[in-house]
Formats: sequence, structure tokens, C-alpha cells
Amino acid sequence: QVSLVQSGEEVKKPGASVKVSCRTSGDGFHRHHLHWVRQTPGQGLEWMGVISPSGDITIYAQDLQGRVTMTRDTSTSTDYMELSSLRPEDTAIYYCTRDHSNGDITWWLDPWGQGTLVIVSS
Amino acid sequence: SSEVTQGPAMSVALGQTVRITCQGDSLKTSYASWYQQRPGQAPLLVIYNKNNRPSGIPDRFSASWSGNTASLTITGTQAEDEADYYCFSRGRSGWVFGGGTKLTVL
Repeated sequence: QVSLVQSGEEVKKPGASVKVSCRTSGDGFHRHHLHWVRQTPGQGLEWMGVISPSGDITIYAQDLQGRVTMTRDTSTSTDYMELSSLRPEDTAIYYCTRDHSNGDITWWLDPWGQGTLVIVSS
Repeated sequence: SSEVTQGPAMSVALGQTVRITCQGDSLKTSYASWYQQRPGQAPLLVIYNKNNRPSGIPDRFSASWSGNTASLTITGTQAEDEADYYCFSRGRSGWVFGGGTKLTVL
């Protein structure tokens, strides 16, 4: 049984950076891509980006290019998402989730981490 | 504007059937997966790999598709199905979620 365990709540000031971690418990860390998804209060899910199993390839949402960095530590099966130049509108729950795919025709995300609340406030 | 559009809200009587749809160009060439999110919880996968259900998801959940539209159908809706539902698919430069549909069970 695979589970993703995320780091705890963060409170940051505008302009600061935050780094959220996501540790994989169970098999498959080295075989699967990992996505990050966020959800602002009362709003829908927003795809942020994805990192490859080896960590050498990342694809980021265009809106976050230049502010988001995704990395992974394969020795500890832990993924990281760092968001810089934080703004109040970055206040959200941030989720990590494992990628699965069938060729180039369908993708799905399972399991999901429990979420990390990041609050950006002066 | 979003690459994948969903109606924002729907309601269904207990025991009836409801169809939630997503529309977008990417859905012409890829199959969506579907997620249920109850208040205060992380999203939960309910449909994957065209029309498969993970272990523990009731068989009243099913998926279909036509042209640029993907659909999630709940047959015999139960009270516990009241939740937000999202589709997910490949987008122009990455991946994308639909805007979400809030389902109310009457």
C-alpha cells in the first residue's frame, strides 16, 4: 500500500519562499512521475507541474514558470515543491500525487498526499 | 479561459442518475480520469484508464466519451455521492483539471 505523507502547515510573508515535502511510503517511487496540485480556498484544483522518476525532467504550468521548482531526493523517496516570491493569492492547500498512464492517451493520479496548507499573509 | 470546461453545479434526486461532463479539445485525443472531493478531504480517484474503477469505488460510477466530451455517470445516486467532481486530462502544455462540478443530492 503506497502512501504520500506531506509536511505540515506553513505561514509565510509576501515575497518569501516555501518548500513543501512529500515522502513516499511503499513501492514505486523510482518508477512513477509525481505531480503537484493546489487548491485555493473555495476554488477548484489547479495543476502545478510534474517531475520525472529520476528527477531530471520537470514540466511546470505556464502561470507558475519562474517561481516554482520541483525536485526529488531518490535516496529518501521524498519530493519537494518550492514556490518563491509568494503572494497572498498563493494561499492554498498544496497536494502531491502519483502519476499513472496508459501510453499517451490517458493519465490518472493516485494516491494523493493529505495536503499542506500554505498561508501567505503579512 | 480554461482548456477543459465543466458545469459548475448540478443536483440529482436520491436514487436517480446524473451525468457530469467535461469538454475540451484535448479530450478528442485522450481519455479523462475523474476525481471526487468531499469537503475537507483530498481528491479521490473514481475512474481511470478509460472506464475502470479503483478498488472500493462502487459500480454505480462509470465513464463515457464522445468527440470532445468526457462524461461521468452516477447511476442510482446515493447521499454520500454529494461532492465536487473533477476531470483531468492532458492539456496544451502540461496537464489540466476541469473547473469542477458541485453535485448536490436532493
